[in-house]
Amino acid sequence: EPEVTQTPSHQVTQMGQEVILRCVPISNHLYFYWYRQILGQKVEFLVSFYNNEISEKSEIFDDQFSVERPDGSNFTLKIRSTKLEDSAMYFCASSPTLGWGAEAFFGQGTRLTVV
Amino acid sequence: DAKTTQPPSMDCAEGRAANLPCNHSTISGNEYVYWYRQIHSQGPQYIIHGLKNNETNEMASLIITEDRKSSTLILPHATLRDTAVYYCIVILGTNAGKSTFGDGTTLTVKP
Repeated sequence: EPEVTQTPSHQVTQMGQEVILRCVPISNHLYFYWYRQILGQKVEFLVSFYNNEISEKSEIFDDQFSVERPDGSNFTLKIRSTKLEDSAMYFCASSPTLGWGAEAFFGQGTRLTVV
Repeated sequence: DAKTTQPPSMDCAEGRAANLPCNHSTISGNEYVYWYRQIHSQGPQYIIHGLKNNETNEMASLIITEDRKSSTLILPHATLRDTAVYYCIVILGTNAGKSTFGDGTTLTVKP
C-alpha cells in the first residue's frame, strides 16, 4: 500500500528556534495538506497546497508558518520561531484529487515538543 | 460544513459487529459523509465515504438514512486492532481535506 512518509518522528526544539518538518507524499498525488493535533485535542486543518501554492489555510496558519515543495518530492512545513503552544503532532496528507476521495493518505506524524 | 454528533465512547466484543452512529441533521444535499479512524495517535486512516447511497468496502459498510440526517458505520467483525477513535465528518466534496476533525467515538473492542 502506498504511504506518506514523515520525518523526523519526534523533534525537540527550544522556544524561538526554527523547525522544518518534512513529508514525502505519494508520488502521483497533486494535493497536499498539513494538520496538527495538540495532545488530547482534535485534528485541526492547517493548510492545503496545490500546484506549488497554498490553496487554503486556516486561522492557525499565521505568519510563523510556511510550506514549500522544494524539489518535487518533499513537502515541508516550517515554523519560524517556535512557541510552547506549537507542541503537537503534525500530520501530512496527500490526495490525487481535490478533496479527499478514497485515496487520501495521512503520514504517521511528527511529534514536535517545544521546550 | 454540517455539524456532527457522535457518542463519546462505545464497547464491542471481538468478532461481533460494531455499529457506530453519527447524527448530521443539518447536512446539505451535496455534502459527503466521511469516516476516518485514528489508532493510538497515529495518522488518521480513511475508512469509507458516501453521499446518498449505502456503501461497502473491504473495511466497513456505511448506511445513510433516506433523509441523510444520520448514518451508521458498521465494522462487520471487529478485532482488537479496530480499537481506535472513529471520526464522522460531513463536508462538501471539494472541501474535504480542509476540515477539522470532531471529537469522534472511542471504540474499544474487548476480547
